Amino acid sequence: ELKVEQNPLFLSMQEGKNYTIYCNYSTTSDRLYWYRQDPGKSLESLFVLLSNGAVKQEGRLMASLDTKARLSTLHITAAVHDLSATYFCAVDRNFGNEKLTFGTGTRLTIIP
Amino acid sequence: DTGVSQDPRHKITKRGQNVTFRCDPISEHNRLYWYRQTLGQGPEFLTYFQNEAQLEKSRLLSDRFSAERPKGSFSTLEIQRTEQGDSAMYLCASSPGAGGYQETQYFGPGTRLLVL
Repeated sequence: ELKVEQNPLFLSMQEGKNYTIYCNYSTTSDRLYWYRQDPGKSLESLFVLLSNGAVKQEGRLMASLDTKARLSTLHITAAVHDLSATYFCAVDRNFGNEKLTFGTGTRLTIIP
Repeated sequence: DTGVSQDPRHKITKRGQNVTFRCDPISEHNRLYWYRQTLGQGPEFLTYFQNEAQLEKSRLLSDRFSAERPKGSFSTLEIQRTEQGDSAMYLCASSPGAGGYQETQYFGPGTRLLVL
């Protein structure tokens, strides 16, 4: 059974600081996704990572994938309050965007 | 360009009642997915459709749950004889289903179900 673990589960950080969220998964996967969820809202797609060594950046967020280590990271640079949200990674076992297995999420709070 | 829509957004029901949720995917998206999310957890896969064909169902989807996508467009998720443990956010997502390299799933706003 595929398991996806994120850490930390909760993260409070000051504005302007850098931090990294980690996502480990238990079996070989073709694709890894990062989503953002604001309280009471649905999920917003951030990144799709498709190959070993893939790196994608959007604004203050950068995601990377190491398929050999079964590890993805989401790095936050110079955090701002607008980035406060819950971040989920999700893994697709089968090439073809079928069912996603999500991690438990990291609730990020940016403190002024 | 409208996104995935779901109706109703909130539903309160009494234990034992039946409920039905509707999902309208993004136009021309062939794949439609249902997930369930409980408080503090990530979404859990329930089922998905390729056009009108239901291709996979999770073990979470007990006999009380049924999903349809009759014409390959909108989908319904019905829960019969609801139980308090069914209280959750039910999320629908869609994707083009063309196998595109960067293909992702686009999520709707969800239907929050509370079973009393």
